[in-house]
Amino acid sequence: DGGITQSPKYLFRKEGQNVTLSCEQNLNHDAMYWYRQDPGQGLRLIYYSQIVNDFQKGDIAEGYSVSREKKESFPLTVTSAQKNPTAFYLCASSIGVSTEAFFGQGTRLTVV
Amino acid sequence: SQQGEEDPQALSIQEGENATMNCSYKTSINNLQWYRQNSGRGLVHLILIRSNEREKHSGRLRVTLDTSKKSSSLLITASRAADTASYFCATVGAQKLVFGQGTRLTINP
Repeated sequence: DGGITQSPKYLFRKEGQNVTLSCEQNLNHDAMYWYRQDPGQGLRLIYYSQIVNDFQKGDIAEGYSVSREKKESFPLTVTSAQKNPTAFYLCASSIGVSTEAFFGQGTRLTVV
Repeated sequence: SQQGEEDPQALSIQEGENATMNCSYKTSINNLQWYRQNSGRGLVHLILIRSNEREKHSGRLRVTLDTSKKSSSLLITASRAADTASYFCATVGAQKLVFGQGTRLTINP
């Protein structure tokens, strides 16, 4: 089955820790995105990548880092520099930037 | 920012009624997309309307686009309880897909 998979579904982070959220797609899509969603809010763009080995900052990139070493994978690291990381994180991919985006089921990150 | 703004933020209607949500955006677009999100889940693409289109239908969904007013509307006809969800518009600008704040739609049985 083709699709986009995020893991884990739930993640707990201690203060001062870095954590990495996984996002994998087998749709052969060039573009991939990471969004953050706070309760009752819209989606805010963290990072995006239009092609392998290239990515750009979104609106709220501070405290986050990404890599795009493979077309299928776009992991997001939430660093200790992100002061309020508790949120729902969504990964998406699309053939191109102007086409329909497919979303994963999200990772809920909680700081404990 | 090219972020779309949805209106209203929340909408509650009776089953069988029609639901209309609006989206405004700030700059020129190639297309505008509408997505649905069930609580705690990822978003699902509903419909895409190109900048040279004025209206598009898909099942019980009707989308309009007015580029002169930089606005779009999503109409869901004959609503069902299963339509309860949040609905987001999204636009593409500077090579990135940007979402609005969403409309939370509740369908009461």
